[in-house]
Amino acid sequence: QQQVKQSPQSLIVQKGGISIINCAYENTAFDYFPWYQQFPGKGPALLIAIRPDVSEKKEGRFTISFNKSAKQFSLHIMDSQPGDSATYFCGSLFGNEKLTFGTGTRLTIIP
Amino acid sequence: SQTIHQWPATLVQPVGSPLSLECTVEGTSNPNLYWYRQAAGRGLQLLFYSVGIGQISSEVPQNLSASRPQDRQFILSSKKLLLSDSGFYLCAWDTGGRLTEAFFGQGTRLTVV
Repeated sequence: QQQVKQSPQSLIVQKGGISIINCAYENTAFDYFPWYQQFPGKGPALLIAIRPDVSEKKEGRFTISFNKSAKQFSLHIMDSQPGDSATYFCGSLFGNEKLTFGTGTRLTIIP
Repeated sequence: SQTIHQWPATLVQPVGSPLSLECTVEGTSNPNLYWYRQAAGRGLQLLFYSVGIGQISSEVPQNLSASRPQDRQFILSSKKLLLSDSGFYLCAWDTGGRLTEAFFGQGTRLTVV
């Protein structure tokens, strides 16, 4: 059973557009929500993360929006570029010791 | 600096054969260690995690087991592989604190034939 539910499974966005990936969780004990980026044949790497005491965090073209009451958070990629084509995973951390992930979103940026 | 080593990179094993994948971490002490499996359409599935030597938590009932004989060594094993064990296996570590970042190895592509 997934701790977080991620959608969509795949996403195609035109270069320069906005890519949006969504995640929903059930366990209110989660207190850390990271997003990881994975290129083919490589291990995932941390992209950006948020705590539930803030509603938004922005780093460059990447923004996490967090809705605590709805138990949802999303990743927005502004001005999407071909180099952003990768698989993205949302995650949740429970009790500082169990990092679990959503099912992933394969993002393709087309020219 | 911290590094994580995972090997082998690729492995082809017959059904019923044993498995041993090893992961070691350098440059840190007492890390949390994880084994994940990535199969098509199922994302990153947490298999095992460990917060210390000899402490293993299993997330998914399966044909696999894990051990942590040393602080920075994590081993994934099977006595008899099944076809369904094929996948991309990833080892990871983090410091176990809040706002922690997990660092992943390069992964092992296992094909059971």
